[in-house]
Amino acid sequence: TQLLEQSPQFLSIQEGENLTVYCNSSSVFSSLQWYRQEPGEGPVLLVTVVTGGEVKKLKRLTFQFGDARKDSSLHITAAQPGDTGLYLCAGVGWGGKLIFGQGTELSVKP
Amino acid sequence: GAGVSQSPSNKVTEKGKDVELRCDPISGHTALYWYRQSLGQGLEFLIYFQGNSAPDKSGLPSDRFSAERTGGSVSTLTIQRTQQEDSAVYLCASRLGHRGPAYEQYFGPGTRLTVT
Repeated sequence: TQLLEQSPQFLSIQEGENLTVYCNSSSVFSSLQWYRQEPGEGPVLLVTVVTGGEVKKLKRLTFQFGDARKDSSLHITAAQPGDTGLYLCAGVGWGGKLIFGQGTELSVKP
Repeated sequence: GAGVSQSPSNKVTEKGKDVELRCDPISGHTALYWYRQSLGQGLEFLIYFQGNSAPDKSGLPSDRFSAERTGGSVSTLTIQRTQQEDSAVYLCASRLGHRGPAYEQYFGPGTRLTVT
């Protein structure tokens, strides 16, 4: 069974701080995705990483895929209150079905 | 264009009753997925439909759960003899194709099911 361990589960920081969320697995994934979910809505895709060692940047968000394609991280620089939400990593399995981590609930206080 | 829609948005039912949850995917999307999101278990895959192929039911937690997709479009998730542990948000997602990592899954807003 493929499992994804995501940490931390909860993160409360002040505006302007930096943070990193980790996603680790004992299994290799062909690709990994990061989603953000707000209350009452479904998850929305932020990025897909495919190649081991890949780094993608989306404004203040930096995503890394480990060389062995078993782990990934999300780094947010100078967090803002608008970044508040649930961040989910997901490994892409056969047929495109997603295996999700437990999620990181981020709260950024002004 | 319209996104994935789900109905009802909220459903409260008594233990032992059957419920049906509906998903309308994005037009033209061939793949459709159901997931369940609960406090204790996070977001879990339930079932996956791709075109006319037999669905992948590997995530269904028990035989009380079933789903169908009619005409390659609308899908219905049915839970029979509901139990309190079935309380969760049920999310539907659709995808343009089933191959390639770049094909994004678009999620609906979910149906919040509460079993009393």
